[in-house]
Amino acid sequence: QQQVKQSPQSLIVQKGGIPIINCAYENTAFDYFPWYQQFPGKGPALLIAIRPDVSEKKEGRFTISFNKSAKQFSLHIMDSQPGDSATYFCAASKAGSQGNLIFGKGTKLSVKP
Amino acid sequence: ETGVTQSPTHLIKTRGQQVTLRCSSQSGHNTVSWYQQALGQGPQFIFQYYREEENGRGNFPPRFSGLQFPNYSSELNVNALELDDSALYLCASSMHRGRGTEAFFGQGTRLTVV
Repeated sequence: QQQVKQSPQSLIVQKGGIPIINCAYENTAFDYFPWYQQFPGKGPALLIAIRPDVSEKKEGRFTISFNKSAKQFSLHIMDSQPGDSATYFCAASKAGSQGNLIFGKGTKLSVKP
Repeated sequence: ETGVTQSPTHLIKTRGQQVTLRCSSQSGHNTVSWYQQALGQGPQFIFQYYREEENGRGNFPPRFSGLQFPNYSSELNVNALELDDSALYLCASSMHRGRGTEAFFGQGTRLTVV
């Protein structure tokens, strides 16, 4: 049973476009939702994270939108650049779980020049 | 750079052997978590160490074990290696807060079992 479902599996956009990656979850005990960026051969790098008490969070060109009632959250990348080409993972953790993260399967983003 | 370092970066082992992977956590962090990432998949939680004790475990068999040392560094040991153990093994360090908090990953150890 996949606890965090991520879509799409892959995404191609033109430079300057706004790719949107979506994640859905079932367990209402989740209370922390980070996004990670991973380049080939590297470990995941934390981009931005949100808790369910807010509906949106922005950090630089990255925005998380959170819909608690729909149990969905998404990552928007403004003014995307070729250097943003990477695999993006959403994740979630449960309160009292010692913070262990449950990851989605990832979205491979390609930003064309 | 996260300040989390893992060694070695690459490793090739034979089925049935044992392997030890090492992780140094980011300065100021007291918790280390280990993840397994198969090719094309998201990382999967193996276990977490806090105050030198296992503090949560994912769905991995007992042949996956670990240690945390007083300086918060950690080891992951895998016995009786199987071909399916081939993966990128990631270490993440964080501050223990009893709930989700910022976790920073190292660059990983690529393990190949032949």
